[in-house]
Amino acid sequence: GAVVSQHPSWVICKSGTSVKIECRSLDFQATTMFWYRQFPKQSLMLMATSNEGSKATYEQGVEKDKFLINHASLTLSTLTVTSAHPEDSSFYICSARDEDSGSETQYFGPGTRLLVL
Amino acid sequence: KQEVTQIPAALSVPEGENLVLNCSFTDSAIYNLQWFRQDPGKGLTSLLLIQSSQREQTSGRLNASLDKSSGRSTLYIAASQPGDSATYLCAVMGGSWQGGKLIFGQGTELSVKP
Repeated sequence: GAVVSQHPSWVICKSGTSVKIECRSLDFQATTMFWYRQFPKQSLMLMATSNEGSKATYEQGVEKDKFLINHASLTLSTLTVTSAHPEDSSFYICSARDEDSGSETQYFGPGTRLLVL
Repeated sequence: KQEVTQIPAALSVPEGENLVLNCSFTDSAIYNLQWFRQDPGKGLTSLLLIQSSQREQTSGRLNASLDKSSGRSTLYIAASQPGDSATYLCAVMGGSWQGGKLIFGQGTELSVKP
């Protein structure tokens, strides 16, 4: 089946620094990828839809300047958490849609755990 | 605005029991509904996907049903095993006109005791 990878799997950083998380579709092309965040014991909340070659579409309440998304190729989307603060500590998960399959199925990455000190 | 609710939030059962997890959604105009499993600290594993035109899907000991008109889905797990312990999430997808977004429920944390 289709595989989506994320890097890094976990990261610890100091408050005020920026952190970049990569999401890659390994064996398919994805013009659309999605970024979610998940707080402990809570469900996944969609942050934004990443569109290859165009600007990302952010969900209401998500700061565009805080969470920068770049979808520069058909297999890679990056999420950069700028000037990270402790409240940004969370589990970030991406998914990618294999549009060539003709299905709307999304394949999920393994997640990136971010801890901001 | 689509809202997805899962009941119960947590469930503990002895090994071997059959169990049912519930998922309800407020807007019946969905494209599909999907059940996922999430182990602690891990990503999501897709279990079953039901298209809006389907009533149920089966995979091994798992059976998922969909009643779109009433906004409900159930995940039935037969002969539960300790390895089934995980959080189970349901998610609905609106049509492609909605960008293919998935809206998740809060999850049911399942514990199967040996």
